Amino acid sequence: SQTIHQWPATLVQPVGSPLSLECTVEGTSNPNLYWYRQAAGRGLQLLFYSVGIGQISSEVPQNLSASRPQDRQFILSSKKLLLSDSGFYLCAWGAGHGSYEQYFGPGTRLTVT
Amino acid sequence: EDQVTQSPEALRLQEGESSSLNCSYTVSGLRGLFWYRQDPGKGPEFLFTLYSAGEEKEKERLKATLTKKESFLHITAPKPEDSATYLCAVRGPRSGNTGKLIFGQGTTLQVKP
Repeated sequence: SQTIHQWPATLVQPVGSPLSLECTVEGTSNPNLYWYRQAAGRGLQLLFYSVGIGQISSEVPQNLSASRPQDRQFILSSKKLLLSDSGFYLCAWGAGHGSYEQYFGPGTRLTVT
Repeated sequence: EDQVTQSPEALRLQEGESSSLNCSYTVSGLRGLFWYRQDPGKGPEFLFTLYSAGEEKEKERLKATLTKKESFLHITAPKPEDSATYLCAVRGPRSGNTGKLIFGQGTTLQVKP
């Protein structure tokens, strides 16, 4: 069966510090991968998606970047965090064909102080 | 522009009091409608996928239905453990093989014993 991991689970970082969030998927190959941000009490905002190694598409201009160095690894980064980067970050994977449902990881709660 | 609107934003029910959540969408050529459950501080959990008007799916006390303009998530005789935020998402023809989904803002359900 497939499993998706995210770490860290929680993170408190000062403004201006760098960020690296990691997501890995097990039990599947060549998945579509997605990074979302969820503000308190709101829906999911798609930040980045990837259909293959090294292929990254950005949905929203922002202070963040994403990379996919391996087939089942997706990384969300920032060189200098802003207060507005605080939120709940979710990674998801999808099969890229067939029914297209997405499966989410446990999330990372980021607080920028 | 493809849009998803969920109503109500919040719903309080007594245990055993059946009700429905609504998800209205404006997507030309729907390629799938997805329901998720999200507990506080956790990633969304996939529930159902619906593809065509008239389709229904059931899981325990939940039943999802689909028309050409909206979907309903019916909750029959809910229990306190059904308390969660329920998210609806759609996939349209423009998503191609990216599998991108458009999410609604969610309905937060509270079931009191």
